[in-house]
Amino acid sequence: AQSVTQPDIHITVSEGASLELRCNYSYGATPYLFWYVQSPGQGLQLLLKYFSGDTLVQGIKGFEAEFKRSQSSFNLRKPSVHWSDAAEYFCAVGSFYAYSGAGSYQLTFGKGTKLSVIP
Amino acid sequence: DSGVTQTPKHLITATGQRVTLRCSPRSGDLSVYWYQQSLDQGLQFLIQYYNGEERAKGNILERFSAQQFPDLHSELNLSSLELGDSALYFCASSVGGGGTEAFFGQGTRLTVV
Repeated sequence: AQSVTQPDIHITVSEGASLELRCNYSYGATPYLFWYVQSPGQGLQLLLKYFSGDTLVQGIKGFEAEFKRSQSSFNLRKPSVHWSDAAEYFCAVGSFYAYSGAGSYQLTFGKGTKLSVIP
Repeated sequence: DSGVTQTPKHLITATGQRVTLRCSPRSGDLSVYWYQQSLDQGLQFLIQYYNGEERAKGNILERFSAQQFPDLHSELNLSSLELGDSALYFCASSVGGGGTEAFFGQGTRLTVV
């Protein structure tokens, strides 16, 4: 079964510093990978996605992520963090499997990493 | 705004009661997913519907059920509610049955007292 691990529960960075949030996945085939962000009291917003092709993907709000198949990782990065980036970040893997004789697809999320930004 | 609408935003109810959460997917999306988010369990996948048919089932309790109607909106029914069912319930939608990103609604915060 697929799984997603976000090893860091909480990260604190200073405004203007660089950021890297770690994500490792377990899935037998080539995964579809996503990063979502959740601000307090809000739903999840898609930051970026990887389906295939270039392993470095650009997203919204200045975020990027790199898919490394050999390390089963999809780490999220931002060169300079803004106070408004304080939120919780979720990595997710999309996987296909059989269900009741038909194909099915599921998004599995990590536990999330809470980002705090110091002014 | 993701285009996914969930109602109500907040719900407070007593143990043993039954509630219905509603979700309207983005225009054109055929798939609807339901997730439960709690502090201790994180984001747990409950169930998925695609064009009216159940397509995947996750950690959904037998007391919970869902359906997707011909107009593609979906309802999640939670019955015999327990204190532990208090959580944020999200609906998400996607264009197809899989292989694409999902767009999330703002969630329904359920508090069972």
